[in-house]
Amino acid sequence: GAVVSQHPSRVICKSGTSVKIECRSLDFQATTMFWYRQFPKQSLMLMATSNEGSKATYEQGVEKDKFLINHASLTLSTLTVTSAHPEDSSFYICSARTGGGNQPQHFGDGTRLSIL
Amino acid sequence: ELKVEQNPLFLSMQEGKNYTIYCNYSTTSDRLYWYRQDPGKSLESLFVLLSNGAVKQEGRLMASLDTKARLSTLHITAAVHDLSATYFCAVDRDDKIIFGKGTRLHILP
Repeated sequence: GAVVSQHPSRVICKSGTSVKIECRSLDFQATTMFWYRQFPKQSLMLMATSNEGSKATYEQGVEKDKFLINHASLTLSTLTVTSAHPEDSSFYICSARTGGGNQPQHFGDGTRLSIL
Repeated sequence: ELKVEQNPLFLSMQEGKNYTIYCNYSTTSDRLYWYRQDPGKSLESLFVLLSNGAVKQEGRLMASLDTKARLSTLHITAAVHDLSATYFCAVDRDDKIIFGKGTRLHILP
């Protein structure tokens, strides 16, 4: 149980393109989803937290107009990287949780984004 | 601000040896996690530690938590090559998980 699916697993696109990444909870209702970014050989950095039906809460230093997050249903959140540039190339990982903070987060398999 | 510090950040060790990874955190927390990450992959949950003195073991890995010292350890017993990976500790605070920098473990055959 508690499977989180991320799609696509890998994206390669040209600079200036907007890229959408989907995060789905397959067998549970995800009231909260989290988006992380991981640069090579570095740790995971939380970008934003989204609750179903509400606007996402972004961490300091993360541009909300560049990284658009939508959490329109209890099983789907999307991250759109708008007008992506090479410095946005990274490994993006989502996680999902049902209920309150004492519930575990379940991680997706990640999306490798490469901007040429 | 919650800070999570791991050491060492890189560890190369021979098969069959024992070693410990340390995780210190700066403020009180409800939960401490250990994750494993293989190259190019996402996170695999290893342990969740909830209370002072908690100890959990799975195979050659054992994790412990001392909330008074704000310290967790991940002990590797008789390491095997398959345990080569990056290990992250993470701490739960205000509904967010804050990760340490990770320990890259390389086990030599």
